[in-house]
Amino acid sequence: DVKVTQSSRYLVKRTGEKVFLECVQDMDHENMFWYRQDPGLGLRLIYFSYDVKMKEKGDIPEGYSVSREKKERFSLILESASTNQTSMYLCAIALSSYEQYFGPGTRLTVT
Amino acid sequence: AQSVTQPDIHITVSEGASLELRCNYSYGATPYLFWYVQSPGQGLQLLLKYFSGDTLVQGIKGFEAEFKRSQSSFNLRKPSVHWSDAAEYFCAVGASRYKLSFGAGTTVTVRA
Repeated sequence: DVKVTQSSRYLVKRTGEKVFLECVQDMDHENMFWYRQDPGLGLRLIYFSYDVKMKEKGDIPEGYSVSREKKERFSLILESASTNQTSMYLCAIALSSYEQYFGPGTRLTVT
Repeated sequence: AQSVTQPDIHITVSEGASLELRCNYSYGATPYLFWYVQSPGQGLQLLLKYFSGDTLVQGIKGFEAEFKRSQSSFNLRKPSVHWSDAAEYFCAVGASRYKLSFGAGTTVTVRA
């Protein structure tokens, strides 16, 4: 079974803090993704990575950065958290042919 | 660019009744299509997928979906709904570089 874990289920941070969300996979998959999910908007792609140190912007990269130093770990970074980044964040990995498997999500609240 | 429309934001269905969720996509070639389900507070779980071949696809939990190229649709169906099917359902289409484009989701409420 594919396993994708995310470092926290719930997180509360203050405006201006630097926030790290971590995603870890237990297989050797190249492609990893970060989405945010908001009511009525579905899932929107923030960034994805297709190999170690390789990354590409998604549809809404502003205010975010990512890091992938090891194949199994993909981190999402909020350089200076703002209240409009309060959301559910989902990490996913892709097997071949677009099939993606998701972690349980991190619900981030920025106050 | 690829896009997905789920016309129904919210559907309420009685337990034991049939369910159909609509999905329309915009894509130039033969699409890769997916349905995912998200139970409250959980991540997304893959229900079924269509890549090619038979246009009627069987998935987990008793769900099926039918690909209709002429209508650009990939509707999800279940003959008899259980209370545990209450969840949010997302349709998705494969874009470039293994990316997926998701619809806005349909929330299903099951009444006793």
